[in-house]
Amino acid sequence: EPEVTQTPSHQVTQMGQEVILRCVPISNHLYFYWYRQILGQKVEFLVSFYNNEISEKSEIFDDQFSVERPDGSNFTLKIRSTKLEDSAMYFCASSESSSGTQYFGPGTRLLVL
Amino acid sequence: AQSVSQHNHHVILSEAASLELGCNYSYGGTVNLFWYVQYPGQHLQLLLKYFSGDPLVKGIKGFEAEFIKSKFSFNLRKPSVQWSDTAEYFCAVTGNTDKLIFGTGTRLQVFP
Repeated sequence: EPEVTQTPSHQVTQMGQEVILRCVPISNHLYFYWYRQILGQKVEFLVSFYNNEISEKSEIFDDQFSVERPDGSNFTLKIRSTKLEDSAMYFCASSESSSGTQYFGPGTRLLVL
Repeated sequence: AQSVSQHNHHVILSEAASLELGCNYSYGGTVNLFWYVQYPGQHLQLLLKYFSGDPLVKGIKGFEAEFIKSKFSFNLRKPSVQWSDTAEYFCAVTGNTDKLIFGTGTRLQVFP
């Protein structure tokens, strides 16, 4: 069964450094998402992406964040200058349609020191 | 703004006990409702979903949920839990956009 994959599974970085989290969505899916879960808190929506454009973004998704689909398979989330409060589990998801089921990847645990 | 409440944060049951996890949402328009499960060390997986039609939906592994529009609820049920149901369960909703709004999750522990 096709799955969403994410790399790396864990990333430790220093405050102020840039990180890029990578996702490979399911191959025939067109809609892509990033969510995050700070330890002990809810899973929160960050951004949705379709047709090479951001469809919607949350208040969390400020200028420090960006997303890109650099080729036909990868979907990346970049944090330009990480802050301590960016420490969280980041989940990528994809779906076939805008109202379809979103399939989640295993997540990247980001720790900012 | 949309929100989802899960009132049971941690539920402990013995095998064969019945399960009901509460989920309430706040949104005035048409909603799509979901239950996701996260088994230890694994990613979020869809258990079941409601888009329209029969308000009683059946999902994988014997789970079901009932959409009660008047109560803004979508409670998850299973008549007889197994040890393998130990996991975290998340209720989620989409409204006029496709972003998922999640509840805080309920950690279920099932003891043999």
